[in-house]
Formats: sequence, C-alpha cells, structure tokens
Amino acid sequence: QKEVEQNSGPLSVPEGAIASLNCTYSDRVSQSFFWYRQYSGKSPELIMSIYSNGDKEDGRFTAQLNKASQYVSLLIRDSQPSDSATYLCAVNAEAYGQNFVFGPGTRLSVLP
Amino acid sequence: DTEVTQTPKHLVMGMTNKKSLKCEQHMGHRAMYWYKQKAKKPPELMFVYSYEKLSINESVPSRFSPECPNSSLLNLHLHALQPEDSALYLCASSQRRGSVNEKLFFGSGTQLSVL
Repeated sequence: QKEVEQNSGPLSVPEGAIASLNCTYSDRVSQSFFWYRQYSGKSPELIMSIYSNGDKEDGRFTAQLNKASQYVSLLIRDSQPSDSATYLCAVNAEAYGQNFVFGPGTRLSVLP
Repeated sequence: DTEVTQTPKHLVMGMTNKKSLKCEQHMGHRAMYWYKQKAKKPPELMFVYSYEKLSINESVPSRFSPECPNSSLLNLHLHALQPEDSALYLCASSQRRGSVNEKLFFGSGTQLSVL
C-alpha cells in the first residue's frame, strides 16, 4: 500500500483556469504537508507548506488540508504556462522512520 | 537564504571510476539528506545525517558512500557504479529532524550518467 498517493496526470488546464491537484496519505499521525514544484530536469522547489486543517493561501496558490479525510490539495488560480511542471506532495511522517515521504507527483500542463 | 549548493551539476563516469558529489549549505541546518531520483519518479531517500551522524541508510549499495565532514558539508563518494545508477542525485537540508514545522530544501542536483 502506497503511503502518499497522487493522480499521475497529466492534468491539462487552459491558461487562466484553476488547476486542482490532490493528494491522499495513509498515516494518520502525519503532521506536516508540503507541495513541491519540479520542472523537467530541475530539482524540487518548495512552494507551500500546511500544518493545520483548513486553507492556506500564498499568492495564486492555496493549500487545503483535511486531516480527518487524510487529504491535502493544491489549487493554482489563474494558471499560467509557466506553471506547467510536476507537483510533488510530501508528508512529514516521523512514524515511517523518515522525515519526508513523497507522492509520485502529478504532471500539470497549462495550455496557452 | 534557502540555498543548498551542489557540485557538479552534471557528471559522466565510467563503471571503474571514482568520483564524489558535493553539497553545501550555510543555513545552520543540522540535518542533511541524499536523494536519488529517476525520471518521472519521486525522490527516493538514500541517506540522512543528523548533527553530522548518519541516522538513516536506506539499504543503499556500498558503492555509494556518504560523508559529512561538518555541519555545512555533505559528500557522496561513488565507486564502481552501474549504468542503472544513472539518475538525478539531490542533496537536501532541513533545520533538524523531527520538528513539526521542519521544511526540506533541495539543492539543484547532480545529473549523473554512468557509462
């Protein structure tokens, strides 16, 4: 059983639309949740972190966390072609003996 | 400043070569990590150093040898690699292991090709 799951995509949205990326995790004791953006051939870049239930907004990005449902999402408003990348969900999972467990990533394509 | 610096950016080596990857951070972070990432896959943890001591070794073959000379530096020594070891090698750091609000910052990576 995978510990962090994401739809692999590709998810295609038109420019200016809202992109919605989803992630579920299996460990109920996980406390910290992260979204990384990774362009092809580059390293992951931290774009959002969230620790409490509810929404957290930063510019065009909104992270949403629901610990009861073990679900975390990332909304990208006014999507731009430059948002086209793979988005990795990561969970701080001390119970796994690891600090950070990554999902497989969702590839987002924003079409001009 | 959230910079983790890795060198070299690209490396091509033969199966009999010995090479080293280097990583440096000056954020005062006390945990440093090596990850391996194959194309279209998530990063895969290899090693974790906490306060300069190796705390996690994810059953990595001995042809990969990590070293943490001090709290700012992390090396990965490579010897007798196989073509399947070709991947993006990522160094990362975090303030310290186990804190709730800990964040992981990655370097730019070394793209390794083994011929």
